[in-house]
Amino acid sequence: AQTVTQSQPEMSVQEAETVTLSCTYDTSESDYYLFWYKQPPSRQMILVIRQEAYKQQNATENRFSVNFQKAAKSFSLKISDSQLGDAAMYFCAYRRLVTKLVFGKGTKLTVNP
Amino acid sequence: EAGVVQSPRYKIIEKKQPVAFWCNPISGHNTLYWYRQNLGQGPELLIRYENEEAVDDSQLPKDRFSAERLKGVDSTLKIQPAELGDSAVYLCASSLNTGSGNTIYFGEGSWLTVV
Repeated sequence: AQTVTQSQPEMSVQEAETVTLSCTYDTSESDYYLFWYKQPPSRQMILVIRQEAYKQQNATENRFSVNFQKAAKSFSLKISDSQLGDAAMYFCAYRRLVTKLVFGKGTKLTVNP
Repeated sequence: EAGVVQSPRYKIIEKKQPVAFWCNPISGHNTLYWYRQNLGQGPELLIRYENEEAVDDSQLPKDRFSAERLKGVDSTLKIQPAELGDSAVYLCASSLNTGSGNTIYFGEGSWLTVV
């Protein structure tokens, strides 16, 4: 079974600084998708960024970028120029083609002014 | 475009009472998911529908949970009778499973407290 591990239960960053959230996963498949979701206190899961495993180029969405290391099964999220609105729970998730999302336990990000 | 809509947003019930949650997915999305999220955990899949068919319900506690998706659009998740351990956020999500539509979109969730 696929598993997703987020080893940092909590992280903090100063406003305008950069922070990296870690994620590792376990799978025997070669074709899959990886995601980072943001969950504010309202509990709605909001997609931040996604990466297709067949693409070697790391995905980027404005201030958010990933470091995808397929051989190491690592998928970290970098948030640049952190803003107060970035404070939330961040979940790393794995999905093989059209099956379910498998989530990690999440990392709580605090942004200090 | 309207997102995934869920109701009710909050529900407090006594144990052994029934409760139902409703979900309206994004228009045109053929796949619908119900996830349960316990406090301090990531969401876990309860059931996945492809159109009207439940294609993955292996994690659904079938003795007390039931779900349906009539006409392949809206869905209802029911718990009867509820237990204290059922207190959680129930998230509905939907997706297109064609081409680049592999992103799963979530609703705001239904918070259940069983007392």
